[in-house]
Amino acid sequence: QSVLTQPPSVSGAPGQRVTISCTGSSSNIGAAYDVHWYQQYPGVAPKLLIYADTNRPSGVPDRFSGSKSGTSASLAITGLQADDEADYYCQTYDSSLSGYVFGSGTTVIVL
Amino acid sequence: QVQLVQSGAEVKKPGASAKVSCKASGYTFSNFYIHWVRQAPGQGLEWIGIVDPTGNNRRYAQKFQGRVTMTSDTSTSIVYMELSSLNFDDTAVYFCARASVPGSLLGPFDSWGQGTLVTVSS
Repeated sequence: QSVLTQPPSVSGAPGQRVTISCTGSSSNIGAAYDVHWYQQYPGVAPKLLIYADTNRPSGVPDRFSGSKSGTSASLAITGLQADDEADYYCQTYDSSLSGYVFGSGTTVIVL
Repeated sequence: QVQLVQSGAEVKKPGASAKVSCKASGYTFSNFYIHWVRQAPGQGLEWIGIVDPTGNNRRYAQKFQGRVTMTSDTSTSIVYMELSSLNFDDTAVYFCARASVPGSLLGPFDSWGQGTLVTVSS
């Protein structure tokens, strides 16, 4: 069972906006540790999508955005496209575990 | 460009050990820590631990302590992750990933290896 909880899946039509939540606790997100997001296609390694809550690495479209409040973080995808269909994971540090933790993962389905 | 190239797939029997390598190139090896993450079939990502490139500093997830050893060879820019006492639940793809902040355990994982499938089968 993951320390960070994400919905198993979210879906939307092309062009729509979807959001993925990542709920933690006072020992991780609530302790102000940075939250990062990764995108993963089947059979390949994850790719960094958002770092330090809200920042996009070079090359990541501005359709992807991150936010954080309290013990939760969110990833938003606007202008949904077919190739956004992938798994998305949040990640942060947990002081109780003295290590890094990942969310349970969310599959984005483009209808 | 930053590249992490991992060793090939392995098949191990229960109780055996698996040692996966991760060769780094395209950056100053000694400046960045390396994480190890695994992903069981159809499951999510699980952090195993982190090692500094000198091999002197390492931190393991509580779940794997006593069973995992991470080492580093600065002469070849290769990091190793060895997992012992394998059981069927250890069947997974194992990834190495670079910590993005020089000299720090913190920060996102900005580059990943291609993954190594370790299959535990009798």
